[in-house]
Amino acid sequence: SYDLTQPPSLSVSPGQTVTITCSGDELVNKYVSWYQQRPGQSPVLVVYQDTKRPSGIPERFSGSMSGNTATLTISGTQGIDEADYYCQAWASNIHWVFGGGTKLTVL
Amino acid sequence: QITLKESGPTVVKPTQTLTLTCTFSGFSLSTAGVGVGWIRQPPGKALEWLALIYWDDDRRYRPSLKSRLTISKDTSKNQVVLTITNVNPEDTATYYCAHSEDSGWPLDSWGQGTLVTVST
Repeated sequence: SYDLTQPPSLSVSPGQTVTITCSGDELVNKYVSWYQQRPGQSPVLVVYQDTKRPSGIPERFSGSMSGNTATLTISGTQGIDEADYYCQAWASNIHWVFGGGTKLTVL
Repeated sequence: QITLKESGPTVVKPTQTLTLTCTFSGFSLSTAGVGVGWIRQPPGKALEWLALIYWDDDRRYRPSLKSRLTISKDTSKNQVVLTITNVNPEDTATYYCAHSEDSGWPLDSWGQGTLVTVST
C-alpha cells in the first residue's frame, strides 16, 4: 500500500508562518492536494495539483513540492486557521490516498 | 453551486450491509470526466478514501476493502450509492461523499457527512 507521512501536530503563534510537510515515495510524480478540516466540519480543499489555490482560498495558503515532500505553508497564520490539515495524493495506480493528518494549534 | 448530501442509517448491527446514498446537485454525472467519491473518518482519526465512480461508470475501490464495497450511480436521480457488506465496529465513522471534476483532480466539494455507528 502507499503511505503519506505528516507530522501529527504543530503549533504556531498568530501572525507567524507555519509549514506542514507530507512525504511519500515518488511523491513528485503524483498530484498532491491539501484539505483543511475545522472541528466538526467537512474538509475544504485549500491547495491542489501541488501549488494551485482554489478560488476563495486566502493567499496566505500556498503549496510546494520538492523531491518526495510536499509542503503546505500558511503565512500570517490566524486563529481561524486552527484545524486539522490532510495531504492527499493521486496517481492512476494508487488513486486517492490521504495522509494521517496534522493538527495545527494557533497559540 | 455544487452541493452533496449523504443519507443512510445512523446505526447498523454487525454483519449487516450498510447502504449509503449521496444526493447531489449543481453537476451531472453524465458530464465527461466527473466523478463522485466516498471517504470516511472514524471518530478522532484520519480521512480514508473508500471508492469512487466516474461518469463513464469506471469504478475504483480501496484495495483493502474492495471485496466488501460496491459503488453505483443513478444519473437520472443525481445519486451515488455505496454499499458495505458484513460491517463490524471498525466501520463506525462519519461517511462523506465528494465531487471531482476529472480523473486526477481533487475532491473540490464535500457533503456534510453522516455518522454511522456499528453496534448491537
